[in-house]
Amino acid sequence: SQKIEQNSEALNIQEGKTATLTCNYTNYSPAYLQWYRQDPGRGPVFLLLIRENEKEKRKERLKVTFDTTLKQSLFHITASQPADSATYLCALWWSSASKIIFGSGTRLSIRP
Amino acid sequence: SQTIHQWPATLVQPVGSPLSLECTVEGTSNPNLYWYRQAAGRGLQLLFYSVGIGQISSEVPQNLSASRPQDRQFILSSKKLLLSDSGFYLCAWSVHGREETQYFGPGTRLLVL
Repeated sequence: SQKIEQNSEALNIQEGKTATLTCNYTNYSPAYLQWYRQDPGRGPVFLLLIRENEKEKRKERLKVTFDTTLKQSLFHITASQPADSATYLCALWWSSASKIIFGSGTRLSIRP
Repeated sequence: SQTIHQWPATLVQPVGSPLSLECTVEGTSNPNLYWYRQAAGRGLQLLFYSVGIGQISSEVPQNLSASRPQDRQFILSSKKLLLSDSGFYLCAWSVHGREETQYFGPGTRLLVL
């Protein structure tokens, strides 16, 4: 079955540094991979989508890479701020079943 | 712009009692609608999805059911709650043909005692 793993349950970094979160998947080649942000007690919010034929996508301080050979996506937040502290979810689009598979998330904490 | 509402925000129910959670979407027509459950520290588990009024697909066998009586209304129900039904329930919508991106509601925290 399709499996998606976010390697770190939690990540703690200093304000101003770049945060890098990892997402690995197995048994499938998704057409799309996405990243969502979830704050405590709230629903996830869509951040970025990257297609299988795209290597990299940027949005302000966010950057996502997608390596279909390694079956991995990296999510970077540059110049991190305490307001970036949240749980970040990776999700892949399983087109044959028409559904999204979510990872369990990485809890990111940015300390001042 | 589109808005998605869920209520109640928090619910404490005894085992064996019924459940009704409601989700409504504004600002769009004919959305795909979804119910997810998120256990603490776990990923999102898809429970039901609907592509139109009265059309419900169930992802996992369970104690819950869903209904879509109107285009932008999605209801999650149970006749008798179990302890294992506790969790954070999220409703989401997507555009037809753009199902890969979903927009989530604020969620309902359910505690079954």
